[in-house]
Amino acid sequence: DAGITQSPRYKITETGRQVTLMCHQTWSHSYMFWYRQDLGHGLRLIYYSAAADITDKGEVPDGYVVSRSKTENFPLTLESATRSQTSVYFCASRAGNTEAFFGQGTRLTVV
Amino acid sequence: KQEVTQIPAALSVPEGENLVLNCSFTDSAIYNLQWFRQDPGKGLTSLLLIQSSQREQTSGRLNASLDKSSGRSTLYIAASQPGDSATYLCAVPNQAGTALIFGKGTTLSVSS
Repeated sequence: DAGITQSPRYKITETGRQVTLMCHQTWSHSYMFWYRQDLGHGLRLIYYSAAADITDKGEVPDGYVVSRSKTENFPLTLESATRSQTSVYFCASRAGNTEAFFGQGTRLTVV
Repeated sequence: KQEVTQIPAALSVPEGENLVLNCSFTDSAIYNLQWFRQDPGKGLTSLLLIQSSQREQTSGRLNASLDKSSGRSTLYIAASQPGDSATYLCAVPNQAGTALIFGKGTTLSVSS
């Protein structure tokens, strides 16, 4: 399917576990992003990538790791999940300075 | 640091009304501005992208305007319908141009 897809859509994990959220886009967009959305905070940037093998921190990177070995994939890993990382996570992509497109989100609950 | 503000935070209108959503940003050196719609429990859907060289962009009943000098954008919705009920978010590039900075959104409720 064309577009940007995230998996899983829902995830419940325990404190201290490692969790990886997946993001895949079919457009070969150069830029990819990870945001988290929380009540009262809105959307906040976690990490972004300008191209394969190029990543950089956003506003709230602590506790997260990203990689981008292929243009189309941008996984987000929570190294040791904490309750404060309970959130809805959105992946997005865009080509250059053009329109950004978002995935459907992953709702993560850390218990 | 770029900051984006959307006022009001919530808006309720009867069906058929024309309405305006506001977005303001602190750094006018932007190259575009994007409006999104988010339905409850869903992802963000792109509505309109306005380039800095444009003053307006239209899609169906939606019209977005951009005034860089005053740091403002408006989203005009004509003849509102219950299906327009959603949260509307505006976003502008950060100063490095690498990512989008979002407002907290305006939640619109259109009653039939």
